[in-house]
Amino acid sequence: KNEVEQSPQNLTAQEGEFITINCSYSVGISALHWLQQHPGGGIVSLFMLSSGKKKHGRLIATINIQEKHSSLHITASHPRDSAVYICAVRSWTSGSRLTFGEGTQLTVNP
Amino acid sequence: GAGVSQSPSNKVTEKGKDVELRCDPISGHTALYWYRQSLGQGLEFLIYFQGNSAPDKSGLPSDRFSAERTGGSVSTLTIQRTQQEDSAVYLCASSLAVTYEQYFGPGTRLTVT
Repeated sequence: KNEVEQSPQNLTAQEGEFITINCSYSVGISALHWLQQHPGGGIVSLFMLSSGKKKHGRLIATINIQEKHSSLHITASHPRDSAVYICAVRSWTSGSRLTFGEGTQLTVNP
Repeated sequence: GAGVSQSPSNKVTEKGKDVELRCDPISGHTALYWYRQSLGQGLEFLIYFQGNSAPDKSGLPSDRFSAERTGGSVSTLTIQRTQQEDSAVYLCASSLAVTYEQYFGPGTRLTVT
């Protein structure tokens, strides 16, 4: 079992839908990152969080440390949101390294 | 301002040759990371530099891989005697420090023939 599990692996939505991507992890962490990888390969950091909730535009990230679970929500989805969304954690025992989930491929159709 | 840059963007090499990949981090960022993403695979940590501290090399897959960071800025990842399984996109990222968000470069796509 991977230390970081994401679900779903693939997600197709219609424009305007509310989207949720989930990330579960099995280790104690100091931080969790959500990354976005566009079809061209470029990676953008969306959020880094260690507790609670963060919001940026239509994106919301939440984390529950006790349940070892995080969610990324996209409100009013748009075709330009189509990308791979990656969850990564920095555990207390791994020092500086990040451990990555396999990613969620999101496709938003017009 | 300028982001993280990497060169070359693409590299095709023959099996057995050595390659050098370069990363220019954002100015002032003390932390620098190298990652690898093989085709259809997730991201994999390779090595991490923080200031003048000894690098965390725990992710390097074999002793054919090495990296250095000169003057706390530019970093070079060297792969000796390349193998076909080394084919991947090699990504560099930098951050102000380990507790800050990371900014990724565009990557170098390495193809070993």
